[in-house]
Amino acid sequence: GQNIDQPTEMTATEGAIVQINCTYQTSGFNGLFWYQQHAGEAPTFLSYNVLDGLEEKGRFSSFLSRSKGYSYLLLKELQMKDSASYLCAVLDSNYQLIWGAGTKLIIKP
Amino acid sequence: NAGVTQTPKFRVLKTGQSMTLLCAQDMNHEYMYWYRQDPGMGLRLIHYSVGEGTTAKGEVPDGYNVSRLKKQNFLLGLESAAPSQTSVYFCASSYEGVLAGRETQYFGPGTRLLVL
Repeated sequence: GQNIDQPTEMTATEGAIVQINCTYQTSGFNGLFWYQQHAGEAPTFLSYNVLDGLEEKGRFSSFLSRSKGYSYLLLKELQMKDSASYLCAVLDSNYQLIWGAGTKLIIKP
Repeated sequence: NAGVTQTPKFRVLKTGQSMTLLCAQDMNHEYMYWYRQDPGMGLRLIHYSVGEGTTAKGEVPDGYNVSRLKKQNFLLGLESAAPSQTSVYFCASSYEGVLAGRETQYFGPGTRLLVL
């Protein structure tokens, strides 16, 4: 079966750095997406990785290791507005998006 | 640009009732999707469409029907609602589908459905 694992919940302090991990086992791989979803709102796109390595976009970075079936989202200089759920999704060999359950990130002052 | 809009935002149904959820996008996107999101689970694809007049089944299509008569609209129907269909429903659209790599899906605000 296809499976994407993320921690259910994480807590971090304002101004700090947090890393959210995502491991996947899917039938094929055609890319990995990270989305942010604030409570009661729609998911919004953060990043896309298809090759190994780090993609940096402002305070957010996303890393991919295809051989390990592993990705992480790194958030720097955390702000209270970063409190949200972070969804990992993998595009499988049939070009279907398989979604993880999401990681709820709580930011404390 | 309104982006992706969904109607209604919230609805309560009794078991056995029917309803239609409407999704509209003004970005001229070819691809449209219907997902459901349940606590502790990832988004699950119900149905999708790769263009006007086409529809295809996703991961959890049972109990739902869809239609894409116009490019900008994608309708999701529940013929006989069941409590198991209580969920938050998201519509999404994209220009070329996720095959375009950095092409992302744009999501509507969601419809909260409660089936009693």
